[in-house]
Amino acid sequence: DTGVSQNPRHKITKRGQNVTFRCDPISEHNRLYWYRQTLGQGPEFLTYFQNEAQLEKSRLLSDRFSAERPKGSFSTLEIQRTEQGDSAMYLCASSLAAGGLGDTQYFGPGTRLTVL
Amino acid sequence: AQSVTQLDSQVPVFEEAPVELRCNYSSSVSVYLFWYVQYPNQGLQLLLKYLSGSTLVESINGFEAEFNKSQTSFHLRKPSVHISDTAEYFCAVSAGTGNTGKLIFGQGTTLQVKP
Repeated sequence: DTGVSQNPRHKITKRGQNVTFRCDPISEHNRLYWYRQTLGQGPEFLTYFQNEAQLEKSRLLSDRFSAERPKGSFSTLEIQRTEQGDSAMYLCASSLAAGGLGDTQYFGPGTRLTVL
Repeated sequence: AQSVTQLDSQVPVFEEAPVELRCNYSSSVSVYLFWYVQYPNQGLQLLLKYLSGSTLVESINGFEAEFNKSQTSFHLRKPSVHISDTAEYFCAVSAGTGNTGKLIFGQGTTLQVKP
């Protein structure tokens, strides 16, 4: 069990540039979540995949954000035309659905984005 | 909509003293409740969770939390803390329409254990 991995761990970019983050969930986990965490706050839900289907998106996810999970394996989160307000830690989590809402989500180490 | 409030942003405590980290939630539907811990420079790890059954749940490292439906609380306690318990603690709920399982987190409580 290698856990959830995220790459890169850190990303510094200039305002207006596009960035893409990758998340590799625990193998055979069918659910994948993206969260965003700013300094001094708890993580906030961004979006959720069940296998390859994106089933929910938060209102926090503006049209500059897009996420994919091709083939139900790894996932990417892209931010276009980055803004300074996008600076945050982006967290990925995965779980194995057991038919209810109490599945344990396993979190990756996160990707810290700094927009200059 | 669901929400979680962690009443203390920082809790300083001396080693071997007891500690309580408070968590209250708001929800119009049944919820599942979680405590996650984040050690310095590490990812979030599940500490314990309440799904159903006994309202008192325990972790392997001595923490316990009690679900109180009437007070909508899920406070985390430990009778004697160690320096290694220094970390950020997050309370979370899982609820909502459909079956997404998304977590709604509180703002976090920093536990600072002093020697």
